[in-house]
Amino acid sequence: DGGITQSPKYLFRKEGQNVTLSCEQNLNHDAMYWYRQDPGQGLRLIYYSQIVNDFQKGDIAEGYSVSREKKESFPLTVTSAQKNPTAFYLCASIKDPGRASWDGNTIYFGEGSWLTVV
Amino acid sequence: GDSVTQMEGPVTLSEEAFLTINCTYTATGYPSLFWYVQYPGEGLQLLLKATKADDKGSNKGFEATYRKETTSFHLEKGSVQVSDSAVYFCALSESNTGTASKLTFGTGTRLQVTL
Repeated sequence: DGGITQSPKYLFRKEGQNVTLSCEQNLNHDAMYWYRQDPGQGLRLIYYSQIVNDFQKGDIAEGYSVSREKKESFPLTVTSAQKNPTAFYLCASIKDPGRASWDGNTIYFGEGSWLTVV
Repeated sequence: GDSVTQMEGPVTLSEEAFLTINCTYTATGYPSLFWYVQYPGEGLQLLLKATKADDKGSNKGFEATYRKETTSFHLEKGSVQVSDSAVYFCALSESNTGTASKLTFGTGTRLQVTL
């Protein structure tokens, strides 16, 4: 079955370390997104990529980096510059971000990754 | 900018009780409105949507009506079940952009249904 796979599900990081969260999709989707979810707040967009080898900053990109070398993969690196990295991270993808009419059915989300700084 | 406000949770109900989760929004244009559900240990799934004023979205016994005059999209269910226990997110998107980067989420409301 097609879907989005995020790994690891739980990750602990020491302060000062960089960590990378994996996001892989086999849906042949063009665009991929990373959101951060904090208690009491909605999902906030970190980075997104609409095509391979191209990506744009979202609302809270500081302290994060991404790459999009393959259509299927969009890893997120949480760097030591991110001051409050402890959060739940969600990856999402959509087939055709350029469609004129929006259809929420086309967004797929992964199961998420919990990152805790210790 | 666009924003979504949801009622704070958690909401605790007995099975077969009536559910309402309030959602109001602010937007500059004519957004589409969505409810997503996140079951424990899973990603978000689209529950229902409405793309224009007075539309009613429905799925799995849940309903929500797009009310432009009150800028609201409240989620309702007549009789909840234990299996409905999850976090519910209200969201909006600017119309005609087709990009998830424009999807604005509320804070989420946790629903706990007990026997």
